Amino acid sequence: QKEVEQNSGPLSVPEGAIASLNCTYSDRVSQSFFWYRQYSGKSPELIMSIYSNGDKEDGRFTAQLNKASQYVSLLIRDSQPSDSATYLCAVNTGFQKLVFGTGTRLLVSP
Amino acid sequence: DVKVTQSSRYLVKRTGEKVFLECVQDMDHENMFWYRQDPGLGLRLIYFSYDVKMKEKGDIPEGYSVSREKKERFSLILESASTNQTSMYLCASSLRTLAADTLSYEQYFGPGTRLTVT
Repeated sequence: QKEVEQNSGPLSVPEGAIASLNCTYSDRVSQSFFWYRQYSGKSPELIMSIYSNGDKEDGRFTAQLNKASQYVSLLIRDSQPSDSATYLCAVNTGFQKLVFGTGTRLLVSP
Repeated sequence: DVKVTQSSRYLVKRTGEKVFLECVQDMDHENMFWYRQDPGLGLRLIYFSYDVKMKEKGDIPEGYSVSREKKERFSLILESASTNQTSMYLCASSLRTLAADTLSYEQYFGPGTRLTVT
């Protein structure tokens, strides 16, 4: 069983819609959770961190965490073509390492 | 802003060559990491270091070694490059912080080195 699972996509949404990206993890002691955005040919860029159950909002991005269900999600409101990228979910279990999912490719069409 | 730099964006080497990839961070981070990223396989950890001269194997250390002589610099060495080491190599660094009563290790990535071994 993979430790961090994401649907590879592509997830296609029209411009202006809400994109919903999901991630599940297997280790119940996981403590901190991250979303990275990676454009094609570029390196991952940290866009959101979340540590407590509930929602965390930053601009058009909202991260949601449910530790009981071992589920993390990222909502992107008012999606723009420039949001088209691969989104990586990463989980930290209390040590220095992060475990990454393989990413969900998001395509936002004009 | 966190700044992680890597010595080359693109590199072409021949089979059997010794290859050095360098990574430098300017934020006094304790932890540094080397990953490789391949289509369909995601990010795979090769080695990481949590202090000067300290190193830990990641998931795929075979064929690689690392060196950390100074806190800001972490080098990845391919002892004898092979074609199956053609990949995107990503360096990252992190600092332990306390956020919402939780230990957090946000990682910041360098721009990556696309290595081709022919």
